[in-house]
Amino acid sequence: QKEVEQNSGPLSVPEGAIASLNCTYSDRGSQSFFWYRQYSGKSPELIMSIYSNGDKEDGRFTAQLNKASQYVSLLIRDSQPSDSATYLCARTPPNDYKLSFGAGTTVTVRA
Amino acid sequence: SAVISQKPSRDICQRGTSLTIQCQVDSQVTMMFWYRQQPGQSLTLIATANQGSEATYESGFVIDKFPISRPNLTFSTLTVSNMSPEDSSIYLCSVVGAGELFFGEGSRLTVL
Repeated sequence: QKEVEQNSGPLSVPEGAIASLNCTYSDRGSQSFFWYRQYSGKSPELIMSIYSNGDKEDGRFTAQLNKASQYVSLLIRDSQPSDSATYLCARTPPNDYKLSFGAGTTVTVRA
Repeated sequence: SAVISQKPSRDICQRGTSLTIQCQVDSQVTMMFWYRQQPGQSLTLIATANQGSEATYESGFVIDKFPISRPNLTFSTLTVSNMSPEDSSIYLCSVVGAGELFFGEGSRLTVL
């Protein structure tokens, strides 16, 4: 079982719609969770971090964490063409910063 | 967040040679890591670069192939030794800042 699994995609959404990205993890002791955005040919850019159950909103992005279900998600509201990228879900074990990444979900926002 | 600079940004290398990648951070950081991203794949942790001591390698990565130095809290190097085409990847330096992990721009290596 992979440590972090993401919905495989690719995901295509119309401009202005909500893009929903899902991620599950196998280690129940996972402590912190991150969403990175990676444009083609670029390095990953941190867009959201979440540490406790519930929702966390930052602009058009909302991360949701459910530790009981071992599930973390990212919603992108009012999707823009500039949101077209690969989104990587990652987690850390307890008391450590070693990230384990999912395979990524490629999002395309069509105008 | 810290500013992380990597050199080279890209290189084309011959099989059997070695290349050293440098990572410079604009502030002192305690924790520094090296990741690899193979073509079309996600990121995999190579090792934790420990200041003043030997790096800690993840399963599947060994010091002879990926020697790492970390002489101080702002600088580290990763060497990819005796390269083969399978080593063609992006190599990324990352640091912890304010409890979150940030990445350098990466070094894209192509091995012929």
